[in-house]
Amino acid sequence: SAVISQKPSRDICQRGTSLTIQCQVDSQVTMMFWYRQQPGQSLTLIATANQGSEATYESGFVIDKFPISRPNLTFSTLTVSNLSPEDSSIYLCSVDTTRDSQYFGPGTRLTVL
Amino acid sequence: LAKTTQPISMDSYEGQEVNITCSHNNIATNDYITWYQQFPSQGPRFIIQGYKTKVTNEVASLFIPADRKSSTLSLPRVSLSDTAVYYCLVGDMNRDDKIIFGKGTRLHILP
Repeated sequence: SAVISQKPSRDICQRGTSLTIQCQVDSQVTMMFWYRQQPGQSLTLIATANQGSEATYESGFVIDKFPISRPNLTFSTLTVSNLSPEDSSIYLCSVDTTRDSQYFGPGTRLTVL
Repeated sequence: LAKTTQPISMDSYEGQEVNITCSHNNIATNDYITWYQQFPSQGPRFIIQGYKTKVTNEVASLFIPADRKSSTLSLPRVSLSDTAVYYCLVGDMNRDDKIIFGKGTRLHILP
């Protein structure tokens, strides 16, 4: 198993600003994933972040809008840039440890005014 | 990645057994079936995983028929705290594979 923490747990941001979300894991993992969950919706994968390489983005998500860092095997950040109200969502990171399942962080609730 | 189809929502009563069925007609040979549970304002949590026949743990049972084109998550004697969204996912666990979530089943337990 893995224990995952995210910071901040929630934030309220102004339009046009950016928010960086941190994801910390208590063990070294190869793959980390970032998801978005809009109100009342299922999770949508934003990108896969591997240490030492560029993140791989899913269709509809671009690096300029969602830059990701993965400086080591226990940490990653997701930045949501140039915020608009449509970016109001819960953002979750997850890790794949034993290949049996993924473990998810508690999420970051973002509200854009 | 095999696409999955689940009921959008279900209601049940405390103390009942709840069965949620997931359809995955295009499941591949190497694919496993995994179920997650998500409470409001929390990230999804792994419940159970199986490849074929029946798997049981302290939380649930998973029934998979021989053709593997569907699976049924069984929650015994549910309580109000089992109210959550349940996601069925299918994927190859032998390679680094991203998880793609479907819409899930919103289970509402009534007193």
